Amino acid sequence: KQEVTQIPAALSVPEGENLVLNCSFTDSAIYNLQWFRQDPGKGLTSLLLIQSSQREQTSGRLNASLDKSSGRSTLYIAASQPGDSATYLCAVRTSGGSNYKLTFGKGTLLTVNP
Amino acid sequence: NAGVMQNPRHLVRRRGQEARLRCSPMKGHSHVYWYRQLPEEGLKFMVYLQKENIIDESGMPKERFSAEFPKEGPSILRIQQVVRGDSAAYFCASSPAVFQETQYFGPGTRLLVL
Repeated sequence: KQEVTQIPAALSVPEGENLVLNCSFTDSAIYNLQWFRQDPGKGLTSLLLIQSSQREQTSGRLNASLDKSSGRSTLYIAASQPGDSATYLCAVRTSGGSNYKLTFGKGTLLTVNP
Repeated sequence: NAGVMQNPRHLVRRRGQEARLRCSPMKGHSHVYWYRQLPEEGLKFMVYLQKENIIDESGMPKERFSAEFPKEGPSILRIQQVVRGDSAAYFCASSPAVFQETQYFGPGTRLLVL
């Protein structure tokens, strides 16, 4: 059974700092891994999706890496801004017959202080 | 193209009442997924539906919960005789095909059972 863990559970940083969020998963047979952003009372916004054959994806100030063999992914946020404050969720799609299911971590609550 | 729509956004029910949550997928999407986010927990897969068919309901409690996606109209998640433990955010996602890389999420319905 796939399990996804995110560390830390919460993170508070001053504006302008670079930061790393961590995600680990127990079953390395994944189809892809996705990072989402969740704002309070809102839905999920997809940030980056990494296919199992890829090592990283970049979008603006965000960079996500994937090490499938070790079951780890990191989300790097450069030059953080107060608008980046949100909960960041990591989700994997495990290979196999039920690969439509997303398995989520509990998230990292990020606060960027002005 | 409007995104995934869910209503109501907030729903308050007393114990023993019924809750009906609606999800309208994005235009052209025929695959719908429901996830539940309990307080302090990650999102958990509940059910996957295509038009008029339940494909996988393995994540849905056996009692009191049901889901449908009729030929016409939105997908409905129905919870009968609600209990306080049903209080959660319920998210719907849709995709145009099961192997579509991304599931697009709605804003969620926050259910509070008094």
